[in-house]
Amino acid sequence: NAGVTQTPKFQVLKTGQSMTLQCAQDMNHNSMYWYRQDPGMGLRLIYYSASEGTTDKGEVPNGYNVSRLNKREFSLRLESAAPSQTSVYFCASSDDRHNYEQYFGPGTRLTVT
Amino acid sequence: QKEVEQDPGPLSVPEGAIVSLNCTYSNSAFQYFMWYRQYSRKGPELLMYTYSSGNKEDGRFTAQVDKSSKYISLFIRDSQPSDSATYLCAMSAGAGSYQLTFGKGTKLSVIP
Repeated sequence: NAGVTQTPKFQVLKTGQSMTLQCAQDMNHNSMYWYRQDPGMGLRLIYYSASEGTTDKGEVPNGYNVSRLNKREFSLRLESAAPSQTSVYFCASSDDRHNYEQYFGPGTRLTVT
Repeated sequence: QKEVEQDPGPLSVPEGAIVSLNCTYSNSAFQYFMWYRQYSRKGPELLMYTYSSGNKEDGRFTAQVDKSSKYISLFIRDSQPSDSATYLCAMSAGAGSYQLTFGKGTKLSVIP
């Protein structure tokens, strides 16, 4: 039982490049989330998905797109990376009856130069 | 005013001390109050949650919620070096609410 896995662990991009962050969970959860964590800003929700086929914007969605590929997988795409997107990105999942209990992945450290 | 305020610290205490971590909030709709623990370079993990006002104890950890004051606390008794981490408070309006509002986290170091 791996919980929530994320790839890659680290990534360096140049401004304007694109990339996709991958996330998968094996807990049969309906709800999945993407957060970013910045020093002094705390955790901020980018997008969430209540179930397969649905996605909704969180607090900071600009510059990102998401895809809920199936129940297990939720990807985050940066179409044209900017230095302001340098951050640590966390994927999380939860049982939709207890969304207060979110299980987080190990994170992806992204640097945009 | 931010919805959730949390002193970022850092907080440094000797092993065995009682630690008190706190958050204040402004949204009266919050009903679920959580404490997440985050070790360095790891993802957060849920430590405890409390529904509405009151206390909840789990081993050396006690969570308190005072909704009248919009104030929550986490107490750690007999603190250990393994408790060194960043502690994030989080809140939501309901069990099924997708959006949690997190505090910025308090970094705690327990010195042997």
